[in-house]
Amino acid sequence: LAKTTQPISMDSYEGQEVNITCSHNNIATNDYITWYQQFPSQGPRFIIQGYKTKVTNEVASLFIPADRKSSTLSLPRVSLSDTAVYYCLVVIGFSGGYNKLIFGAGTRLAVHP
Amino acid sequence: DVKVTQSSRYLVKRTGEKVFLECVQDMDHENMFWYRQDPGLGLRLIYFSYDVKMKEKGDIPEGYSVSREKKERFSLILESASTNQTSMYLCASSSRGQPQHFGDGTRLSIL
Repeated sequence: LAKTTQPISMDSYEGQEVNITCSHNNIATNDYITWYQQFPSQGPRFIIQGYKTKVTNEVASLFIPADRKSSTLSLPRVSLSDTAVYYCLVVIGFSGGYNKLIFGAGTRLAVHP
Repeated sequence: DVKVTQSSRYLVKRTGEKVFLECVQDMDHENMFWYRQDPGLGLRLIYFSYDVKMKEKGDIPEGYSVSREKKERFSLILESASTNQTSMYLCASSSRGQPQHFGDGTRLSIL
């Protein structure tokens, strides 16, 4: 199973762009990359998912280079409410109709005024 | 928006009790999951279900069972609660091939 490595913690300031990079060296052909956000005492919340190149939605962008051995979650103009733990997951592709998620330790992002 | 509702946010039970944790989703998802989350260990999958009355063991099923009698409801059962089952329990649901959506969790304490 593909294992992910991401920084344990990061600090930023309000209004800055934050980039969190995750490495996943043994990602398989059918696997794809998913990011979740978790606040204290809440369940993880899906942010974004991609297979290759770039994906953008209303809250984040996900950059995946051609070799797919890493990915970068980009949060534009963070605010204090973006302080949370961010998890990078490699999702085993479509096995039996459900996606097996393996959560690592995540990256604790602290946004300061 | 997908809504996954767990019946209790906080629950305190005693060792040896039979404990039921309930989860309901409102998006007609085929798949439902139960995880537990512990500091330093991350989220670990206990059981999942891909259809009514179907269930599969996850990574740590010992001491737990599940029930899925209706598509929208997935119950986790602690047959005889023990102190090492004190944890945050998270339910999730998904459509086939789509991201999982989580509830806000039940913090269970076994005394």
